[in-house]
Amino acid sequence: TQLLEQSPQFLSIQEGENLTVYCNSSSVFSSLQWYRQEPGEGPVLLVTVVTGGEVKKLKRLTFQFGDARKDSSLHITAAQPGDTGLYLCAAGGGSGGSNYKLTFGKGTLLTVNP
Amino acid sequence: DTAVSQTPKYLVTQMGNDKSIKCEQNLGHDTMYWYKQDSKKFLKIMFSYNNKELIINETVPNRFSPKSPDKAHLNLHINSLELGDSAVYFCASSRAPQGLNSPLHFGNGTRLTVT
Repeated sequence: TQLLEQSPQFLSIQEGENLTVYCNSSSVFSSLQWYRQEPGEGPVLLVTVVTGGEVKKLKRLTFQFGDARKDSSLHITAAQPGDTGLYLCAAGGGSGGSNYKLTFGKGTLLTVNP
Repeated sequence: DTAVSQTPKYLVTQMGNDKSIKCEQNLGHDTMYWYKQDSKKFLKIMFSYNNKELIINETVPNRFSPKSPDKAHLNLHINSLELGDSAVYFCASSRAPQGLNSPLHFGNGTRLTVT
């Protein structure tokens, strides 16, 4: 089972600030996904990264997959209160099939204060 | 419009009781899952079904029994509930068993409280 470490565990910032959260492992992933979970709801997929060094942008969110495919980061520019939520990374190995399982990190709980 | 719906949203019950949580998806996905999220927000897979067949069965007490009458439904029955079963249970679905191009679609969770 791959172990995913997310940091920081908690982050409270003011509106307009930038932030970065990290997802690290000693294992190599074939793909990594980032989800956001808002209170009272299930996680919602933000992005999937599959190639080492890949960078994807989703409005003010920038996702990067490490060159060695062992780590990933999520950078938010000019955070807004609507960005508040639990950010989860999830990763798995192999190329698919019934034995493929996603392992979730423990999440970063982000609070953006107005 | 709801993609993955689970009922009930809240479930409060006493130790020793038996309860069920139902889940339905209208996305046409082949694979469905049950996840447990504990008080520290850690999300852990319990079961996965692909086309009504069990494909993932993590280390879960035998008191938990999933049932998939068809590929759009996956229910979770829990016998002899214990205090430690209190958590939020999420149903999810994906087009195929978890892989590169099969992200998970989650329901909004069932908060189970055992007193």
